[in-house]
Amino acid sequence: EVQLVESGGGLVQPGRSLKLSCTASGFSFGDYAMSWVRQAPGKGLEWVTFIRANKYGGAEYAASVRGRFSISRDDSKRIVYLQMNSLKTEDTAMYFCTRGLCNGGNCYEDAFDIWGQGTMVTLSS
Amino acid sequence: SYELTQPLSVSVSPGQTASITCSGDKLGNKYACWYQQKPGQSPVLVIYHYTKRPSGIPERFSGSNSGNTATLTISGTQAMDEAVYYCQAWDSSTVIFGGGTKLTVL
Repeated sequence: EVQLVESGGGLVQPGRSLKLSCTASGFSFGDYAMSWVRQAPGKGLEWVTFIRANKYGGAEYAASVRGRFSISRDDSKRIVYLQMNSLKTEDTAMYFCTRGLCNGGNCYEDAFDIWGQGTMVTLSS
Repeated sequence: SYELTQPLSVSVSPGQTASITCSGDKLGNKYACWYQQKPGQSPVLVIYHYTKRPSGIPERFSGSNSGNTATLTISGTQAMDEAVYYCQAWDSSTVIFGGGTKLTVL
């Protein structure tokens, strides 16, 4: 079964750091771009970042997190990470790990066909 | 920064056709996608790159594109289609979501 399982969320004080993990199973992890998308309570979806498959390399970030968040991947462990530094109250959200769709040999960073259940990050002093 | 505009809500009667629009500058060049999110659940990709339907998505879901507007159409709408629908676009190597449209089936 194709699955993404996030972990690492919790309650943290503003200004502190937190590292989220997303463990993948059921597909050839190294071939896919992976992203994080977040959703503040009662609000819409906000893309955070993606990382391309290693054979292409590179990552991109939303302006709201650039310079504070960092995405990385360990293909041997089938895990993608989100390192979040200098956290702000507005970072409070459910964080979803997603997979970029591959079809017919073409793989995309921008169409998220598999989503995890999310891990909640709450900023509070 | 790039913005996508969706109506806050759309209502449809069961069995009828629902249309949800998404507007943005030059959206026709930005590979629009659509997601369905039901309460307490993770989003589901229902349309990608304007018109393509992922495997497992019912044929009643279709997408179209015209200039600055992408449209998600649900034919023969069922009660189970009641959800929030988000459009999404690709702009300058970043991903943008619209604000979401609440589809009510009544």
